[in-house]
Amino acid sequence: NAGVTQTPKFQVLKTGQSMTLQCAQDMNHEYMSWYRQDPGMGLRLIHYSVGAGITDQGEVPNGYNVSRSTTEDFPLRLLSAAPSQTSVYFCASTRGALTEAFFGQGTRLTVV
Amino acid sequence: SQELEQSPQSLIVQEGKNLTINCTSSKTLYGLYWYKQKYGEGLIFLMMLQKGGEEKSHEKITAKLDEKKQQSSLHITASQPSHAGIYLCGAVPSGRDDKIIFGKGTRLHILP
Repeated sequence: NAGVTQTPKFQVLKTGQSMTLQCAQDMNHEYMSWYRQDPGMGLRLIHYSVGAGITDQGEVPNGYNVSRSTTEDFPLRLLSAAPSQTSVYFCASTRGALTEAFFGQGTRLTVV
Repeated sequence: SQELEQSPQSLIVQEGKNLTINCTSSKTLYGLYWYKQKYGEGLIFLMMLQKGGEEKSHEKITAKLDEKKQQSSLHITASQPSHAGIYLCGAVPSGRDDKIIFGKGTRLHILP
């Protein structure tokens, strides 16, 4: 049982480049979320989804797009990377409200 | 918007000593999570509290949610080096059970 899988684990981008961070879960969870973690800032919610076809903005959505075409996948897109997006990104999934959130191992992104 | 305040931000404790980490919300919580993160790694679920006055324990870690459901404390008894890491509280805002908002975390160091 893989749980929540994030790819890639590490990535270096040049300013202005685009890329997609992948997140997949095999637990048939309805809720999925993307967070970024910066030193001293804890986890900040970027976007989240309560099911296929449904997404909503979190605390820091600017510069990021998401889509949820399947229950399993929730990719995060950076359309034009900026140095301020240098961070560690975590994807999480939950079966539903007030249940344990399972986290991926994170993607460390550096934008130069 | 929901805000979570964790205190202290950082804590250095002698091995074997007890310690407490607090998490305070500006609004009533629907649910409260505690997670632990080893430096540079993913998040480990500790426990979730939902009812006012609820208390849960896992090994030497005890967490409690106050009656008003606006403050939670995490207590570690007889700390060990394995307890070192970042402790994060996450809240499910009242009325919105589809997302989890996290505090900035408490860094715990254990001195041998």
